[in-house]
Order: sequence, then structure tokens, then C-alpha cells
Amino acid sequence: GAVVSQHPSRVICKSGTSVKIECRSLDFQATTMFWYRQFPKQSLMLMATSNEGSKATYEQGVEKDKFLINHASLTLSTLTVTSAHPEDSSFYICSALPSSGGDTQYFGPGTRLTVL
Amino acid sequence: EDQVTQSPEALRLQEGESSSLNCSYTVSGLRGLFWYRQDPGKGPEFLFTLYSAGEEKEKERLKATLTKKESFLHITAPKPEDSATYLCAVQASGDYKLSFGAGTTVTVRA
Repeated sequence: GAVVSQHPSRVICKSGTSVKIECRSLDFQATTMFWYRQFPKQSLMLMATSNEGSKATYEQGVEKDKFLINHASLTLSTLTVTSAHPEDSSFYICSALPSSGGDTQYFGPGTRLTVL
Repeated sequence: EDQVTQSPEALRLQEGESSSLNCSYTVSGLRGLFWYRQDPGKGPEFLFTLYSAGEEKEKERLKATLTKKESFLHITAPKPEDSATYLCAVQASGDYKLSFGAGTTVTVRA
């Protein structure tokens, strides 16, 4: 149980284009999901908290107009990196908090974004 | 601001050689302390949640303990498949956000 998927697993795009990453909770509902990024050999840094049916809450220093988050259902959150640039290249990971209760976040497998 | 410090950064063990990883934390009221395992190129895999000082949890060769200032992850008689980066994270009271440490990369040689 508590499986989270992400799509795509890898994406390569040209500078200036937008990329959408999907995060799905497969066997549970999640009112709250989180988006992290991880640079090589570094730990996870929280980017934003995504709440179903409401606006996302962004961490300090994260541009909300660049990283658009939509949480349209209890099993799906999307992160769109707009006008991507090489410095946006990173490993993006989502997590989901079961609506049924508990404090544990379950993580997706991650999406490797490379911007050329 | 919540802070999580993990040590050592890297640990190389021989198969069967037990050891411990440390996670020191400061948080304004602890809701929970979490241990995750992360393999290269993958997302973190949940291991344990600890809520109060004195609490212990075990899973196979892993045992996690908690005090008011730190947590330990003990690896008993490790096998090569235990090689991974182990991440510690804290959750403050009234919030579900996680603050992660930098992790300890464990390599177990056969």
C-alpha cells in the first residue's frame, strides 16, 4: 500500500520550454502533497505544499510563477516548470500525505529534468 | 528554524559489521522524526516514525531510537543490499512539512 507514482521519470527539454510533471497517489487519497527538488549529492529541499482545491504554499525563495502547482483531485498533483532554463535541471520528487490520517509522507520515484 | 544534522556523511562497512548512524535535531516542538532510505536515482522509501524520547522501532536489521536531541539508526550485521543513503527528517508540531538532513551514505562490502 501507499504507492505514489510520477510521470515522466525522465525528461529532456530545450531552454525556454515548459515541462509538466504528474504525481499520483495510486491506492490512497491525499488532500496534501509536497514537491521537493534534490541536487546531486544533496538532500531534499521542500519547494511547495500542494492542497487539493486550493492554492499551493511556496517555500521562501521559490518562484510561484515559475513553478506552477495544480492539485485538482485527491490523487493528482502537477508541477509545471515554466520557461525552463539549465539551472532548473534537477531531480524533482513529490510526496503524498494520506487523507485517512497519520503523519507519514510517501514519496514518488522522482523525475529527472534536464534542460539543454 | 528546524535543523537536522546527520553524521557521518559516508560509512563503509564490511558485511556483518554493525554500526550506527546519528541524526541530531533542533525543532520547535517535535511532531515526529522520520527515517527514510534512498537508493540512487529513486525517491525516499519510508522506514520509521518516532514520536517521543525513549521510543524504539525495528525492521529487519535496522533499529531506530530517539532521545530529546538526537536519533540513532543502528544497522546490525548489514548485508550489501543495505547499501543506500539513509535520510533523517523532522516534522514540527502543527505542521506536516519535513525538514531533511543531508543523509548518510552507507556502503556495505561483501
